[in-house]
Amino acid sequence: ETGVTQTPRHLVMGMTNKKSLKCEQHLGHNAMYWYKQSAKKPLELMFVYSLEERVENNSVPSRFSPECPNSSHLFLHLHTLQPEDSALYLCASSREVAGANVLTFGAGSRLTVL
Amino acid sequence: TQLLEQSPQFLSIQEGENLTVYCNSSSVFSSLQWYRQEPGEGPVLLVTVVTGGEVKKLKRLTFQFGDARKDSSLHITAAQPGDTGLYLCAGATRWGAGNMLTFGGGTRLMVKP
Repeated sequence: ETGVTQTPRHLVMGMTNKKSLKCEQHLGHNAMYWYKQSAKKPLELMFVYSLEERVENNSVPSRFSPECPNSSHLFLHLHTLQPEDSALYLCASSREVAGANVLTFGAGSRLTVL
Repeated sequence: TQLLEQSPQFLSIQEGENLTVYCNSSSVFSSLQWYRQEPGEGPVLLVTVVTGGEVKKLKRLTFQFGDARKDSSLHITAAQPGDTGLYLCAGATRWGAGNMLTFGGGTRLMVKP
């Protein structure tokens, strides 16, 4: 248990489905992130919420939609996904240590798009 | 886009051997972090290095930040099967009031008993 909880841990969905990934942290961190981890690719930052302000990677398709209702909860809404979106989606929260943001990751949600 | 290149990508060694993993970039980072990720889990922070030339030791792991703050290395002495995992370096650049992390592609280490 890292302090960052992600649900579900595994998700299989069709291309026409709508689903959501959930992330929760009770570490008192004030920034939360969604990362995508695919085979043979570096971790890709998708979205950052810091003090409830959103920063996004402009290359993320609009079929991914984040929501951050408060500093402890983060969602990733998924709709009309493609098979290439199959990946491990990691949520993280951060605190600053010696001037550097240190991430605490959840265990991830393994997504398979059929 | 800032790129962090890690080498080697894969490493399989016997228990007791030493190894070094490299993390290189053409960009300068305000700090650099190393994470380890085990199967079915998210990455876990090992260390943060902030000052150019800094060396930090964590038991059998030695981390070094290059003088120019563009590169880093991780050296493991007498590797053990418990060291098996994916090692990720991440460089931080200032963004607003905080930092943005760029991750390397990772080094997958397997230590055989």
